[in-house]
Amino acid sequence: NAGVTQTPKFQVLKTGQSMTLQCAQDMNHNSMYWYRQDPGMGLRLIYYSASEGTTDKGEVPNGYNVSRLNKREFSLRLESAAPSQTSVYFCASSGVVAGGETQYFGPGTRLLVL
Amino acid sequence: QKEVEQNSGPLSVPEGAIASLNCTYSDRGSQSFFWYRQYSGKSPELIMSIYSNGDKEDGRFTAQLNKASQYVSLLIRDSQPSDSATYLCAVNGGNNNDMRFGAGTRLTVKP
Repeated sequence: NAGVTQTPKFQVLKTGQSMTLQCAQDMNHNSMYWYRQDPGMGLRLIYYSASEGTTDKGEVPNGYNVSRLNKREFSLRLESAAPSQTSVYFCASSGVVAGGETQYFGPGTRLLVL
Repeated sequence: QKEVEQNSGPLSVPEGAIASLNCTYSDRGSQSFFWYRQYSGKSPELIMSIYSNGDKEDGRFTAQLNKASQYVSLLIRDSQPSDSATYLCAVNGGNNNDMRFGAGTRLTVKP
């Protein structure tokens, strides 16, 4: 049981390049999320997916697109990377623990856009 | 105005002391509350959840919730150097997209 996995771990892009961040979970969770974490800003929600085939915008969706490929996989795409997208990206899935729903995080992808 | 506020720290306590971490939130409709621990360069890890007013204890950790004051705290008893990390407060209003995180408090436990 690997939990939530993400690839790649690190990536350096030039401004204008595109890339896709991959995420998969093996906990049979319906909901999945993409966050970015910047110093002093905490975690901010980019997009989420409540179930296979559905996606919705979060707090900071501009410059990103997502695909919920199946129940296990949720990918995040940067079509034209900008230096402002330099961040650490976390994927999460949510399940019920102790009577309430909470989120489990992947190891993160560190992205540097030059 | 930030929705979930935490003192950024750093908070420094000696080994064996009680560390007290605080969090306030702005949405009175919030229903569930979480504390995550995040070691440097790692992902957040859930350590406590609390849903009703009062205290909830789990080992050396106690979460305290006061919905009237919109305040949630985390006490760490007998602090250990291994507790040195950033602690994130998270508040959920009840919807999938409604989890809000504080910026975190950095805790250092000195041997």
